[in-house]
Amino acid sequence: SQELEQSPQSLIVQEGKNLTINCTSSKTLYGLYWYKQKYGEGLIFLMMLQKGGEEKSHEKITAKLDEKKQQSSLHITASQPSHAGIYLCGAVQGAQKLVFGQGTRLTINP
Amino acid sequence: EPEVTQTPSHQVTQMGQEVILRCVPISNHLYFYWYRQILGQKVEFLVSFYNNEISEKSEIFDDQFSVERPDGSNFTLKIRSTKLEDSAMYFCASSPNLGLAGEQFFGPGTRLTVL
Repeated sequence: SQELEQSPQSLIVQEGKNLTINCTSSKTLYGLYWYKQKYGEGLIFLMMLQKGGEEKSHEKITAKLDEKKQQSSLHITASQPSHAGIYLCGAVQGAQKLVFGQGTRLTINP
Repeated sequence: EPEVTQTPSHQVTQMGQEVILRCVPISNHLYFYWYRQILGQKVEFLVSFYNNEISEKSEIFDDQFSVERPDGSNFTLKIRSTKLEDSAMYFCASSPNLGLAGEQFFGPGTRLTVL
């Protein structure tokens, strides 16, 4: 079965700094989702990537899927306190379900 | 903006009791899911549901679990005889389409505590 590994597991950055979170898959990714979870709450959809080399942006968050479709990165520019939370990557497995990485806990210090 | 809702937000139960977790998916969505997240662990797929039947389930989803869409709006997860290890956050999700064609929208979750 497909496994997703995220790095780092936790990240503390100063407000205004840029940061990157990585998601590596044990198998080719046919669809990669990024979600944000506030502690103890639901998952909020950020972006979905499908094609090798694809890049999408939403506000200050950019996600990329590498050409080989085994790794994705999430980059936040000029981080703000509102970016704090847990970021999860999820891969489509078959047609029905998502398998998730363990999450990256992001803390933004003012 | 339409959203998935879940009730209750927190459920405390005694081991061996039955619990029903409720979800109202987004109204025009056709595919429904339950996931769970044990504290400190990954979000795990439990079951998917389409056209009034289970379309896929994980090894976690044993005979103690069942799902139902009792009417046109609700989607429920029943745990017949809860165990301590069922304590987790349970998320409902829905999507308009399958797989890559359909983003899964998640509800806020129900925190189940089994004592």
